[in-house]
Amino acid sequence: KQEVTQIPAALSVPEGENLVLNCSFTDSAIYNLQWFRQDPGKGLTSLLLIQSSQREQTSGRLNASLDKSSGRSTLYIAASQPGDSATYLCALNDMRFGAGTRLTVKP
Amino acid sequence: DGGITQSPKYLFRKEGQNVTLSCEQNLNHDAMYWYRQDPGQGLRLIYYSQIVNDFQKGDIAEGYSVSREKKESFPLTVTSAQKNPTAFYLCASSLQGLAYLSPLHFGNGTRLTVT
Repeated sequence: KQEVTQIPAALSVPEGENLVLNCSFTDSAIYNLQWFRQDPGKGLTSLLLIQSSQREQTSGRLNASLDKSSGRSTLYIAASQPGDSATYLCALNDMRFGAGTRLTVKP
Repeated sequence: DGGITQSPKYLFRKEGQNVTLSCEQNLNHDAMYWYRQDPGQGLRLIYYSQIVNDFQKGDIAEGYSVSREKKESFPLTVTSAQKNPTAFYLCASSLQGLAYLSPLHFGNGTRLTVT
């Protein structure tokens, strides 16, 4: 059974800092991996989707990488802003989610 | 605008009552999903449907039931058999299901409280 782990569970950084969120999975036989953002009490907003044949995807200040052999994906956020404060979750194509990383960016 | 609509946003029920959560999408997506989210935890899959009139159990289907009579609708019933029904319920859809390269789109969720 696929296990998805996100570390750390919570992260607090000052505004402007670059940061990395981690997602680990146990089964490398995946088709894609998706990163989401969730604001309190809301649904999930898709940020990036990486197909298994890709190594990374970029959207604005966000960059997601995928290393199937090591069972890891990272979400890199450049020049963080208070508006980036949210919970970030990763999900595999078999619809399994990590518990998320709660990010707080302090002004 | 295309999207997923979940209603109601908040729902309160007495223990022992069945309750149905609504999920409607106008994205013309084939696949639809129901997830449950508990505080501090990730999403857990309850049921999913890849096509009309077909659905499959997820990891935590006990105490829940679904139907998929129309492409755009995937209602979830929380029955009295569900031991701990209070949670945040999220509906999602994708153009194609499971292993296909289709991103998930989510509704804004229904918070169910059972007392």
